[in-house]
Amino acid sequence: DQQVKQNSPSLSVQEGRISILNCDYTNSMFDYFLWYKKYPAEGPTFLISISSIKDKNEDGRFTVFLNKSAKHLSLHIVPSQPGDSAVYFCAALAGGGSYIPTFGRGTSLIVHP
Amino acid sequence: DVKVTQSSRYLVKRTGEKVFLECVQDMDHENMFWYRQDPGLGLRLIYFSYDVKMKEKGDIPEGYSVSREKKERFSLILESASTNQTSMYLCASSLWGNPPNTEAFFGQGTRLTVV
Repeated sequence: DQQVKQNSPSLSVQEGRISILNCDYTNSMFDYFLWYKKYPAEGPTFLISISSIKDKNEDGRFTVFLNKSAKHLSLHIVPSQPGDSAVYFCAALAGGGSYIPTFGRGTSLIVHP
Repeated sequence: DVKVTQSSRYLVKRTGEKVFLECVQDMDHENMFWYRQDPGLGLRLIYFSYDVKMKEKGDIPEGYSVSREKKERFSLILESASTNQTSMYLCASSLWGNPPNTEAFFGQGTRLTVV
């Protein structure tokens, strides 16, 4: 059973507009969340994270929002650029020392020029 | 910079062969992971290790084994390769402990085709 869900397999956005990628989780023990970006034939690279004690974290064009009561987080990219076209994975960590990432299935973002 | 290196980018193996995928990290990370990525299924954890000679099964360990004889090296072994093990394999490492700074760093991936 999926503990981290990305219900949109793909998203298409015009260059310059906002991209919003969504992620839902079911496990209340998750206390840290990350977004990874993956280009074809490459490994995922870490993009941005957020602790469960916060509701927002910004890094340049990327902002992650967390709604703990709804068990929902989202990644906003503003403005979107063609180079942002990639698969984005949401991941969640639960405490206990090992912090094994549990990943969603990913959302493929295409930014059109 | 953290570097996670996987020994091969592309591999083609025959059904029934024993296959070794090697991964080395240079940041003295305690945790190492093997995931496989398949279209529509995302990243699924095969095995995980938090210390030398320690291993834990992930979500899909069947048909695989692992070895961690040195801290920097984590090997994935397909005992008898089958066509349903054709996939992209991703190795990752991370620090043990509480976030932040415990994000996983990934290698470039190995695209394995079993024929």
